[in-house]
Amino acid sequence: GENVEQHPSTLSVQEGDSAVIKCTYSDSASNYFPWYKQELGKGPQLIIDIRSNVGEKKDQRIAVTLNKTAKHFSLHITETQPEDSAVYFCAASSKGYQKVTFGTGTKLQVIP
Amino acid sequence: NAGVTQTPKFQVLKTGQSMTLQCAQDMNHEYMSWYRQDPGMGLRLIHYSVGAGITDQGEVPNGYNVSRSTTEDFPLRLLSAAPSQTSVYFCASSADSRNYGYTFGSGTRLTVV
Repeated sequence: GENVEQHPSTLSVQEGDSAVIKCTYSDSASNYFPWYKQELGKGPQLIIDIRSNVGEKKDQRIAVTLNKTAKHFSLHITETQPEDSAVYFCAASSKGYQKVTFGTGTKLQVIP
Repeated sequence: NAGVTQTPKFQVLKTGQSMTLQCAQDMNHEYMSWYRQDPGMGLRLIHYSVGAGITDQGEVPNGYNVSRSTTEDFPLRLLSAAPSQTSVYFCASSADSRNYGYTFGSGTRLTVV
């Protein structure tokens, strides 16, 4: 089955700096890659996603890039703010079956 | 529009007890799933359903049962609770998880003593 690895597990940045979280996946059939943000005591919330026919997608201060050849994708957050502090999860899903595999999460701390 | 509603929010069980975690969604989503979240292990899939009457096992199905009699509801049953089932449980739904993201519930924190 699919295996998704996520790095780093924790990340501290100064407010205003950029943050990058990286994920790799094992199943070359995976074609949908969502990212979720989980605030303390809440369920994860979808923040951005990318499909395999696109190399990059941007939404205001967040962007995701996908390299299908290398089987890795990354989340980029620019101009970080304290409210960006949360746990971020990457995930991968294949067109062939309805199982979504999550990475182990990255705890992002933005220091004011 | 409530989204995904999970009940209860907190539960303490004794080893060997059974219980049902409730999940309901009002978005007419076909796909529903249950995940458990443990420290350092991310979200692991327990069971999922692609529509009413259809369920399948995920990564960690042992000790749990599900059924999907309606589009809206997807309850998770713990047959005989064990301390290893202490976790936070999330229900999620999607129009199609192959192409669209999940909407998650707010979770149930379960402690088995």
